Amino acid sequence: EAGVVQSPRYKIIEKKQPVAFWCNPISGHNTLYWYLQNLGQGPELLIRYENEEAVDDSQLPKDRFSAERLKGVDSTLKIQPAELGDSAVYLCASSSGLAGRNEQFFGPGTRLTVL
Amino acid sequence: AQKVTQAQTEISVVEKEDVTLDCVYETRDTTYYLFWYKQPPSGELVFLIRRNSFDEQNEISGRYSWNFQKSTSSFNFTITASQVVDSAVYFCALTALIQGAQKLVFGQGTRLTINP
Repeated sequence: EAGVVQSPRYKIIEKKQPVAFWCNPISGHNTLYWYLQNLGQGPELLIRYENEEAVDDSQLPKDRFSAERLKGVDSTLKIQPAELGDSAVYLCASSSGLAGRNEQFFGPGTRLTVL
Repeated sequence: AQKVTQAQTEISVVEKEDVTLDCVYETRDTTYYLFWYKQPPSGELVFLIRRNSFDEQNEISGRYSWNFQKSTSSFNFTITASQVVDSAVYFCALTALIQGAQKLVFGQGTRLTINP
């Protein structure tokens, strides 16, 4: 069974440029998560989808970040415009069943560097 | 507050030594779940274990064992006879109800280095 797929693995951009990350969850997983992981820290949730609905986006900086999961499968996270402080690893995860109870399966992440 | 504390930022041991990674949590929920994840250099977090708040039985899986004690709000992880391949960052995490939504709250992680 394929795991969570993310692309690109690495991205280097200049500040004020837009950037997008893509995630394909494990087949059959209805819940998809985007996390931000700063260096030396644990992941922090940005947004959670149940199928195509964003059910928790309270920690997503909506002035510059947006996300979509149009058909309830793969998802895109966008930053526009990027700032220096956005340099981090962006992790995607998926799970089946009730959020919080079941283990989440993580992708390898996208390491973003903003110059 | 709902939080997880991993006081050990870095641990370095020699191969074959036993090592324990500490995890202390705070929660106001009566039902909650605790997790351990491993993050090797490749970056992908790998699920190791889930424990619910009603099950205080310790668990052993090969060289890995977990000690859950509600009385001290701790969920410690021990690796017996450590190997170089165990080198990674290990995260303890807690499900928490925050602003009406279930979230997974991670500790800051413990970087474990096993030296040959």
